[in-house]
Amino acid sequence: AQSVTQPDIHITVSEGASLELRCNYSYGATPYLFWYVQSPGQGLQLLLKYFSGDTLVQGIKGFEAEFKRSQSSFNLRKPSVHWSDAAEYFCAVGNQAGTALIFGKGTTLSVSS
Amino acid sequence: NAGVTQTPKFRVLKTGQSMTLLCAQDMNHEYMYWYRQDPGMGLRLIHYSVGEGTTAKGEVPDGYNVSRLKKQNFLLGLESAAPSQTSVYFCASRTQGAGEAFFGQGTRLTVV
Repeated sequence: AQSVTQPDIHITVSEGASLELRCNYSYGATPYLFWYVQSPGQGLQLLLKYFSGDTLVQGIKGFEAEFKRSQSSFNLRKPSVHWSDAAEYFCAVGNQAGTALIFGKGTTLSVSS
Repeated sequence: NAGVTQTPKFRVLKTGQSMTLLCAQDMNHEYMYWYRQDPGMGLRLIHYSVGEGTTAKGEVPDGYNVSRLKKQNFLLGLESAAPSQTSVYFCASRTQGAGEAFFGQGTRLTVV
């Protein structure tokens, strides 16, 4: 069965510092991978996605993620964090057949000044 | 273009009452999903549908039923609500193949 692990429940980063959020997945075939962000009381917004091709994908708001098949990882990065990036971040794995779209438990990002 | 619309946005139920949550999408998507979100648990898949007239169980289906009679609508039913079903419910839809999921704004349900 597919699963997603986000090892860090809560991360605090200083404004302007770099950020990396970890995501590990378990899936038998080639996965579709996603990162979503959720601000308090809001729905989920897609940051970026990976389906195939270049393993480094660029997203919105200056985020990027790298797919590493050998490590079953899809870590999210941002070179310089802004206070407005404080939110909850979810990694998800899906498949082409639409029968799976599984989310991790999320990582809460706090940004300190 | 409304995207994914959930109705209602808030609801308070008494234990044992029933209700139906409606999810409507106007993007002609094949796949639709119902999730519940609880603190520290992320989003857990309740049921999903890969097309009109088809439904399947997700990770936490017990106590819920679903129907997809029309392609654009995906209904989530609670026949006899329990306090453990207090949660925020999200609906999502996506197209076939390499498509991202689009989410509704959520329904906050409290069962007392």
